[in-house]
Amino acid sequence: EDKVVQSPLSLVVHEGDTVTLNCSYEVTNFRSLLWYKQEKKAPTFLFMLTSSGIEKKSGRLSSILDKKELSSILNITATQTGDSAIYLCAVEAGGGAQKLVFGQGTRLTINP
Amino acid sequence: GAVVSQHPSRVICKSGTSVKIECRSLDFQATTMFWYRQFPKKSLMLMATSNEGSKATYEQGVEKDKFLINHASLTLSTLTVTSAHPEDSSFYICSVVGTSGSEQYFGPGTRLTVT
Repeated sequence: EDKVVQSPLSLVVHEGDTVTLNCSYEVTNFRSLLWYKQEKKAPTFLFMLTSSGIEKKSGRLSSILDKKELSSILNITATQTGDSAIYLCAVEAGGGAQKLVFGQGTRLTINP
Repeated sequence: GAVVSQHPSRVICKSGTSVKIECRSLDFQATTMFWYRQFPKKSLMLMATSNEGSKATYEQGVEKDKFLINHASLTLSTLTVTSAHPEDSSFYICSVVGTSGSEQYFGPGTRLTVT
């Protein structure tokens, strides 16, 4: 059974800190790994990773995939209160039509 | 990215009634849409893959006769929760695949409460 596991499940830090969120997976026919940010409504897309070792960056957020270790990390530097959200990792796997398997999410809280 | 809308955003219904949720792709034609369910403090669980012009593909454990999916056009998929029960109360989210063919874009979700 395809599985995606995120850690930590919950993280509380102070504004300005740097955080690293982890995602590991066990799936058949890996195609891509995606990161989403979920606030009060539906998830918003952050990154899609398909190749190992290539960092994707968007402002203070960056992410990298390690296919050998079957994992990915999401880094957020100089955190702000607006970064408080649930961060979801999802893996596209299998031969079918872009089905995503989601991790449990990491609830990140940034305190001022 | 794709723009996806859902209607209604929130619905309360009585046990035993049916509720229809619409998912629209506003800025491109989506041959495939996905329906997810998210219980409080849980992650998204894929319910079914909605294919335009053909029958939906349901995930294991999802009753196709209870969750009716219709994808009659390239911009609209509907999910009907039939004979709703309180345990069907959840956040239902649809998604479409972006133009690059891989990343999914989500609708704003529909919160269903069955009393």
